Amino acid sequence: RKEVEQDPGPFNVPEGATVAFNCTYSNSASQSFFWYRQDCRKEPKLLMSVYSSGNEDGRFTAQLNRASQYISLLIRDSKLSDSATYLCVVNGARGGFKTIFGAGTRLFVKA
Amino acid sequence: EADIYQTPRYLVIGTGKKITLECSQTMGHDKMYWYQQDPGMELHLIHYSYGVNSTEKGDLSSESTVSRIRTEHFPLTLESARPSHTSQYLCASSDRTGVNSPLHFGNGTRLTVT
Repeated sequence: RKEVEQDPGPFNVPEGATVAFNCTYSNSASQSFFWYRQDCRKEPKLLMSVYSSGNEDGRFTAQLNRASQYISLLIRDSKLSDSATYLCVVNGARGGFKTIFGAGTRLFVKA
Repeated sequence: EADIYQTPRYLVIGTGKKITLECSQTMGHDKMYWYQQDPGMELHLIHYSYGVNSTEKGDLSSESTVSRIRTEHFPLTLESARPSHTSQYLCASSDRTGVNSPLHFGNGTRLTVT
């Protein structure tokens, strides 16, 4: 079993749709969580950090459920420019360093 | 915007050549990383460093080597390039505050070995 697992995708949605991505992690000692966006043939870029209280940045909302070891990303009112691969990232087992990237979920937003 | 730079951006080279991929960051970050990624595939950590004179191998076995003589510089070297080394190589850094620090990536080197 992978340490970080994401929805396999791809997700094909029309403009304006709401889409949700899920991610689970296996190490309960993990300490910080992020969503990254990666465009085709580009480097990953930080989209947002994820906090237990939930956090929102414009059309994007991230949630963390530590008890279930589950992270989500919600995109509202999808734009064509949202088409990309979304990577779930988990940092840190207690006492050590480790950054684990999920395999990514590809999103296609169509007109 | 993260200040981390990789050169060259694209490299096409013949089998058996020695190559060095450069990575520099101007943020004073202690931690630096090299990832390998094939098109449409996952990122794989191949090397990382906690600071000067610290280097560790990552999760994916790699024939490359790295050095960290200066905080800002983390070059990756392939002594004898092979077609199987064809891939994208991404360098990243994060600051010393540790597990809550996200990684910042350079724009990558796309290597093709013929």
